Amino acid sequence: GQSLEQPSEVTAVEGAIVQINCTYQTSGFYGLSWYQQHDGGAPTFLSYNALDGLEETGRFSSFLSRSDSYGYLLLQELQMKDSASYFCASRNQAGTALIFGKGTTLSVSS
Amino acid sequence: ETGVTQTPRHLVMGMTNKKSLKCEQHLGHNAMYWYKQSAKKPLELMFVYSLEERVENNSVPSRFSPECPNSSHLFLHLHTLQPEDSALYLCASSQDRNSFNYGYTFGSGTRLTVV
Repeated sequence: GQSLEQPSEVTAVEGAIVQINCTYQTSGFYGLSWYQQHDGGAPTFLSYNALDGLEETGRFSSFLSRSDSYGYLLLQELQMKDSASYFCASRNQAGTALIFGKGTTLSVSS
Repeated sequence: ETGVTQTPRHLVMGMTNKKSLKCEQHLGHNAMYWYKQSAKKPLELMFVYSLEERVENNSVPSRFSPECPNSSHLFLHLHTLQPEDSALYLCASSQDRNSFNYGYTFGSGTRLTVV
């Protein structure tokens, strides 16, 4: 079956760098996406990697290695507002929609 | 405001009640989705609509009935639910069902409690 595995929790301090990993098993891979969700809020789209390598968007970067079925989200210069859940996602086998990992809860402390 | 609006934000219903969740988007998107989010579980895909046509029913029990009257509106009709159906129900939209590079736009969800 299809699955995306990511750590359940990560903690860090303000100003630090944190990496959230995602390993996946999917049929017909079509890229890896990342979403952020604050408590009580809507998931919001952060990034999408279709090809191998690093994509940078401000303080956030996302990396993909298709040969390793692995990707990560890198958050730099952490701020308290980055405390949230982060989900990796990929296309389902039917090709109709995204399936998601269980999410990684990031806690940033001062 | 994310561009996708869901109502109500919170809903408490008895197991014999009938209620409906509403989702509205005015982003010009052609695909809409219902997901269920329970604690400690991944977001579970429920239904997919593309150009108002249902393209996926992800083995969802018949007590959940979706409706997409036009490309801007999506409903989830609920009847005779079980307590384990208590969860956050999220609606999302995308340009089309293959637009993964632009991402999905989610609503803030309806927090459903079945008593």
